[in-house]
Amino acid sequence: DQQVKQNSPSLSVQEGRISILNCDYTNSMFDYFLWYKKYPAEGPTFLISISSIKDKNEDGRFTVFLNKSAKHLSLHIVPSQPGDSAVYFCAARRPGAGSYQLTFGKGTKLSVIP
Amino acid sequence: DADVTQTPRNRITKTGKRIMLECSQTKGHDRMYWYRQDPGLGLRLIYYSFDVKDINKGEISDGYSVSRQAQAKFSLSLESAIPNQTALYFCATSDPGQGTREQYFGPGTRLTVT
Repeated sequence: DQQVKQNSPSLSVQEGRISILNCDYTNSMFDYFLWYKKYPAEGPTFLISISSIKDKNEDGRFTVFLNKSAKHLSLHIVPSQPGDSAVYFCAARRPGAGSYQLTFGKGTKLSVIP
Repeated sequence: DADVTQTPRNRITKTGKRIMLECSQTKGHDRMYWYRQDPGLGLRLIYYSFDVKDINKGEISDGYSVSRQAQAKFSLSLESAIPNQTALYFCATSDPGQGTREQYFGPGTRLTVT
């Protein structure tokens, strides 16, 4: 049972345009969501996060939106740059005893075309 | 210098061999984790440790064991490697006491079992 789903394996966007990466989840107990970026031959690096009590968090070119009723979150990158080309993982955390564990989606490979 | 290091970065081994993957961190975090990533899949938790005396199984611990030699060191062992353990392995750390929830990943070890 995949609790965090990234249904688009890949996405191509022109440089300067907006990139929108989507993530759906099934477990309503998740209270915190994170986005990680991964370049080839490197480990994932933390990008941005959002608490379930918020619906938006912004950090520079990156904004994450959370729609709890739809169990959906999205990462917007504006404007997209070639250096943003990477695999993006959505992750979710449960509170309490399970708070150690992040549940990851399968990732979306973003290609930003110059 | 990297905060989370992993050795070796690449390893090819034969079925039935014992192998150890090592992780060291200089972040001073108490919590350490081992994940594996398979092609087209997200990261899955193998083991985690909250401190030197606390070791816990994750989602997919069968066939693996771990050792927390010190706060800064966390090793993953495959007692008798099998081909379906071929994967990318990541070590991660976190420190919820700092008020953050993100985990910090090492660069990964690519393991091939022939």
